[in-house]
Amino acid sequence: QKEVEQDPGPLSVPEGAIVSLNCTYSNSAFQYFMWYRQYSRKGPELLMYTYSSGNKEDGRFTAQVDKSSKYISLFIRDSQPSDSATYLCAMIYPIKAAGNKLTFGGGTRVLVKP
Amino acid sequence: EPEVTQTPSHQVTQMGQEVILRCVPISNHLYFYWYRQILGQKVEFLVSFYNNEISEKSEIFDDQFSVERPDGSNFTLKIRSTKLEDSAMYFCASGARREDTGELFFGEGSRLTVL
Repeated sequence: QKEVEQDPGPLSVPEGAIVSLNCTYSNSAFQYFMWYRQYSRKGPELLMYTYSSGNKEDGRFTAQVDKSSKYISLFIRDSQPSDSATYLCAMIYPIKAAGNKLTFGGGTRVLVKP
Repeated sequence: EPEVTQTPSHQVTQMGQEVILRCVPISNHLYFYWYRQILGQKVEFLVSFYNNEISEKSEIFDDQFSVERPDGSNFTLKIRSTKLEDSAMYFCASGARREDTGELFFGEGSRLTVL
């Protein structure tokens, strides 16, 4: 079983719609959860970072974590064509003193059509 | 806005050749990382570097790979004898503090093509 699973998409939505993305994970040791956005041939860009179960909101973005189900979600409200990108979930084990290793999902490609 | 810069943006090399990929992390950051992404696949952790030494490395990071911080600004990844399967996008990342957890800043990447 893969550590972190993510539907590759593509997920195509009309402009203004809500984009719903999710990841499942198998290792209950993961405690920190991130969502990154990656445009084609660019580096990942951090969007959201959460620690505990529950919701976290930042502008048009809402991240949800359900540790009991090992399931995390990202919602994008009022989607724009500029939101078209690949969205990566990433997770970390408890912090090590000398840095942290991110474990990424495979990414979901999102297309927002004008 | 501070950013992580990587050079070259694209390098083409012959199998068996040595390659050095260079990164300039954000200036006050202390934790440095290399990740790679083979086309169509996940971003994979290679190595983390802190206090002038490797703090963790993955199974991918074998004896053909090495990292160095030769001066106060550059952070390099060397592949001694490239293989076809080393073709990938290599991303450098840096973080300010241990507590920053996943708040890593990634560079734009260096695309390596091994022929």
